[in-house]
Amino acid sequence: EDQVTQSPEALRLQEGESSSLNCSYTVSGLRGLFWYRQDPGKGPEFLFTLYSAGEEKEKERLKATLTKKESFLHITAPKPEDSATYLCAGDYGGSQGNLIFGKGTKLSVKP
Amino acid sequence: GAGVSQTPSNKVTEKGKYVELRCDPISGHTALYWYRQSLGQGPEFLIYFQGTGAADDSGLPNDRFFAVRPEGSVSTLKIQRTERGDSAVYLCASSFLGGAYEQFFGPGTRLTVL
Repeated sequence: EDQVTQSPEALRLQEGESSSLNCSYTVSGLRGLFWYRQDPGKGPEFLFTLYSAGEEKEKERLKATLTKKESFLHITAPKPEDSATYLCAGDYGGSQGNLIFGKGTKLSVKP
Repeated sequence: GAGVSQTPSNKVTEKGKYVELRCDPISGHTALYWYRQSLGQGPEFLIYFQGTGAADDSGLPNDRFFAVRPEGSVSTLKIQRTERGDSAVYLCASSFLGGAYEQFFGPGTRLTVL
């Protein structure tokens, strides 16, 4: 069964304290690995798509990387406004793109 | 607005009642998805439309759930004989063509079944 597992479930950082979020995925059949940000009471907001091992993408303080079995979301010098739940999702091509999501990592950044 | 919109934002109903949830996708997006998100969980796929047709409804939990997209734009998710276990946030997403294109999500409808 296709599976996406995220760790840790929750992460508390001080402002400026860099860290990484992990997403482990079932390798077989993966067409793309997606990262989304979700604020309370809102729908997920698209961040990145990664397609092949070794690929990296950056946006402001965020950088997403992909290996053959994991993806990492690196957060450099986070600010309180980076506080949110970060969701990882795999596209296994089951129906032209229905995504299989992990449970998310809830990030809290304290000033 | 240019984003995906969903109405209502909140819906409270009683067990056994019928509800309809509406999704208005981004103009020009042919692919439309419905997901359900329970507290502390990631979104769970329900159904995918390409144009007017349901290309994949394998995520619908049972025959009480049904969705339509008659003109290839707005979609309605319909739930009959609601149960308390149906309480969740129902998210709609649209995508330019489907496949590997990124999906843009609406704010969701929070459904509470008493």
